[in-house]
Amino acid sequence: QSALTQPASVSGSPGQSITISCTGTSSDVGGYNYVSWYQQHPGKAPKLMIYDVSKRPSGVSNRFSGSKSGNTASLTISGLQAEDEADYYCSSYTSSSTLFGGGTKLTVL
Amino acid sequence: QVQLQESGPGLVKPSETLSLTCAVSGYSISSGYYWGWIRQPPGKGLEWIGSIYHSGSTYYNPSLKSRVTISVDTSKNQFSLKLSSVTAADTAVYYCARLFRYVGPWGQGTLVTVSS
Repeated sequence: QSALTQPASVSGSPGQSITISCTGTSSDVGGYNYVSWYQQHPGKAPKLMIYDVSKRPSGVSNRFSGSKSGNTASLTISGLQAEDEADYYCSSYTSSSTLFGGGTKLTVL
Repeated sequence: QVQLQESGPGLVKPSETLSLTCAVSGYSISSGYYWGWIRQPPGKGLEWIGSIYHSGSTYYNPSLKSRVTISVDTSKNQFSLKLSSVTAADTAVYYCARLFRYVGPWGQGTLVTVSS
């Protein structure tokens, strides 16, 4: 099984919107509506931001949204804030495994 | 509130076996869900190691399958990881977590260094 593909880095200015892509295959991202996204600040455990492609856990800002088209899922962060600067990972759950993307470093300029 | 806490040696010698335990509080493992381990080498991304159901059925990352054993002790409400024949490449922060359609909650993570 291969890791999911994410861009290594993205950047944006405060107030702008950015989108991070996550590409898999029909056996993982494309085959299940079980894509999730995690935010990780340095030295901290990952935090769940989106699950089941587009659902937000309680307490997560509605500036975070998720979507999926075919084998590619996307995380969009609108109204960028300095506190959003972190690493972001996508994940896909299948019936026999959990895959992660390589991670994307978000820089807020 | 479900909480997970990893424990185990922070230093393991090359060729030996890494052993970690995850204690779960606020939820009975016997009630369901998969529980598992994820690791993150310094400066690198997340890697799923494997998962176990309360019944004992397991799924492992194919790249680690030959060296990994995950077990569950429902009487103690905890589950464990054993990784054999470790090398420096196994140095990482090891997280335990509940796994379902997503990963969470997570333990705080524990750094395991492989070095002589």
